[in-house]
Amino acid sequence: EDQVTQSPEALRLQEGESSSLNCSYTVSGLRGLFWYRQDPGKGPEFLFTLYSAGEEKEKERLKATLTKKESFLHITAPKPEDSATYLCAIGSNYQLIWGAGTKLIIKP
Amino acid sequence: KAGVTQTPRYLIKTRGQQVTLSCSPISGHRSVSWYQQTPGQGLQFLFEYFSETQRNKGNFPGRFSGRQFSNSRSEMNVSTLELGDSALYLCASRRTSGSTDTQYFGPGTRLTVL
Repeated sequence: EDQVTQSPEALRLQEGESSSLNCSYTVSGLRGLFWYRQDPGKGPEFLFTLYSAGEEKEKERLKATLTKKESFLHITAPKPEDSATYLCAIGSNYQLIWGAGTKLIIKP
Repeated sequence: KAGVTQTPRYLIKTRGQQVTLSCSPISGHRSVSWYQQTPGQGLQFLFEYFSETQRNKGNFPGRFSGRQFSNSRSEMNVSTLELGDSALYLCASRRTSGSTDTQYFGPGTRLTVL
């Protein structure tokens, strides 16, 4: 069964304190791993798509990496505006299968 | 380019009523997917439409239905509302129906069932 697990559930960091979020997955045939950011009461905002092991993508303070079993979202020197829930999903059979998300709080 | 729009943004209904939600995809996108998001279950796939045809359906009861029009706009309907249907309903669009394409989400419709 295709499955996505994200850890930790919540993460509190001081401004400038770098860290990583984890997304582990099991899928019969990966058709893309997607990272989204979601602010309270809003729809998910697309961040990255990764398709093959070894692939990396960057955007501002965020960098996503992919292995055969997991993906990491590295956040470097975060700012309070990076506070949000970060969601990971895998493409499978015309739909996205989602993890539960990591709630990231950056304190000034 | 305009993003995905959803109307209404907020709805309050009572048990037993029915509701229709609307979604307009990004111009040129032919696939529309619907998701339900709740604190307990997270994001769950409802169904996907491509070129007016339902291509895939999640594990939801028949009270949840949808359709897509020739201009790619989509509606979903929930009949005989239950308290547990209270959720954020999200619509996402993409160019094709393949699962490798990125989905772009609308702001959602917050449905409250009393």
